[in-house]
Amino acid sequence: DAGVIQSPRHEVTEMGQEVTLRCKPISGHDYLFWYRQTMMRGLELLIYFNNNVPIDDSGMPEDRFSAKMPNASFSTLKIQPSEPRDSAVYFCASSRQGGYEKLFFGSGTQLSVL
Amino acid sequence: QKEVEQNSGPLSVPEGAIASLNCTYSDRGSQSFFWYRQYSGKSPELIMSIYSNGDKEDGRFTAQLNKASQYVSLLIRDSQPSDSATYLCAVNSGGSNYKLTFGKGTLLTVNP
Repeated sequence: DAGVIQSPRHEVTEMGQEVTLRCKPISGHDYLFWYRQTMMRGLELLIYFNNNVPIDDSGMPEDRFSAKMPNASFSTLKIQPSEPRDSAVYFCASSRQGGYEKLFFGSGTQLSVL
Repeated sequence: QKEVEQNSGPLSVPEGAIASLNCTYSDRGSQSFFWYRQYSGKSPELIMSIYSNGDKEDGRFTAQLNKASQYVSLLIRDSQPSDSATYLCAVNSGGSNYKLTFGKGTLLTVNP
């Protein structure tokens, strides 16, 4: 099993540009989570999906952020327009039983918005 | 009040000592508790899970849970330099909510 795959590993963009982060969960995992990690705020849950359906998006900071999961193998997190305060490491994670068991994390995307 | 609080650290211990990491949580309905380890520049990885009151041991690691006090701890015995990392406490709120909330983490340094 290849694990959770995220792309790109690093993204540098300018303020105002659209950013799209991608995630492929582990096959058979029904839950997919998007987290953001900064030194100040730690690891914050942005949104999670169950069977491709968004369940809780209360952590999405504002309307500039959107996430989709068109099928069981793919999810995107989009920021439009991006701002310098969006700079962080964005992690995707998947699991079989949501937060009741082990989350498998991808390698993360380091986003820098200049 | 933040949902999951950890002692801010950083925590520094000599090699071979016991490292003690603490975590409190606010939701009395929480049912699942986890400790993740994160090396610098890497993603978090699960090292311990605990679901009922008491102690759970796995090798050099012991997780302790006290639901009445809303307290979770992790003890690392015979600490090794390779244990140097940030330790994240994570709590699942239970019920129909499957989300996992993380504390900000405690940076542990084990000195040779």
